[in-house]
Amino acid sequence: NAGVMQNPRHLVRRRGQEARLRCSPMKGHSHVYWYRQLPEEGLKFMVYLQKENIIDESGMPKERFSAEFPKEGPSILRIQQVVRGDSAAYFCASSRLTATNTGELFFGEGSRLTVL
Amino acid sequence: GQQLNQSPQSMFIQEGEDVSMNCTSSSIFNTWLWYKQDPGEGPVLLIALYKAGELTSNGRLTAQFGITRKDSFLNISASIPSDVGIYFCASLNYGGSQGNLIFGKGTKLSVKP
Repeated sequence: NAGVMQNPRHLVRRRGQEARLRCSPMKGHSHVYWYRQLPEEGLKFMVYLQKENIIDESGMPKERFSAEFPKEGPSILRIQQVVRGDSAAYFCASSRLTATNTGELFFGEGSRLTVL
Repeated sequence: GQQLNQSPQSMFIQEGEDVSMNCTSSSIFNTWLWYKQDPGEGPVLLIALYKAGELTSNGRLTAQFGITRKDSFLNISASIPSDVGIYFCASLNYGGSQGNLIFGKGTKLSVKP
């Protein structure tokens, strides 16, 4: 069974460019979450999506950041006009339909964004 | 806001020693989770606790959900080199959706062979 797949693993962008991070959940999982981790910090929740729906985006900045989980294909976290402060590791996680409120998330290996 | 405070921040121990770390908060939580993150990887769930007072083991790992619901500890017995990594406590963000977890800043464990 493949785990949560994220790509790219590393991404370098210049200020003002766009970053797109992709996430394919584990087989059989229909819930996707995105987290951000700054160096020496814990993970911070950004957004929770189900297929074609954003359920909770309370942790996502209102500007420049967007997320989607289309009917077909991976979930995408998009950061427009990146700034140096966006440099971080972005983790995607997924969970089973029946794992409501258990906190049992399966994380990918992360995408490390560096903004020059 | 809700915050999870982990201590110690880092530990340097000899292989074979036991390890103890904890997580506290001024808020009450109904769930305590312990995740481990290896360098360059994503976190992996080690133990989940759902009842106050609950004591749960997973191999050499033991975790407890504090009676006050404001703390939890994680013990590792007879540490080995592959225990190296960062251990995070986490809980469900009160009033948030499922999967909206709050994480502590982690305890970084180093093991000398």
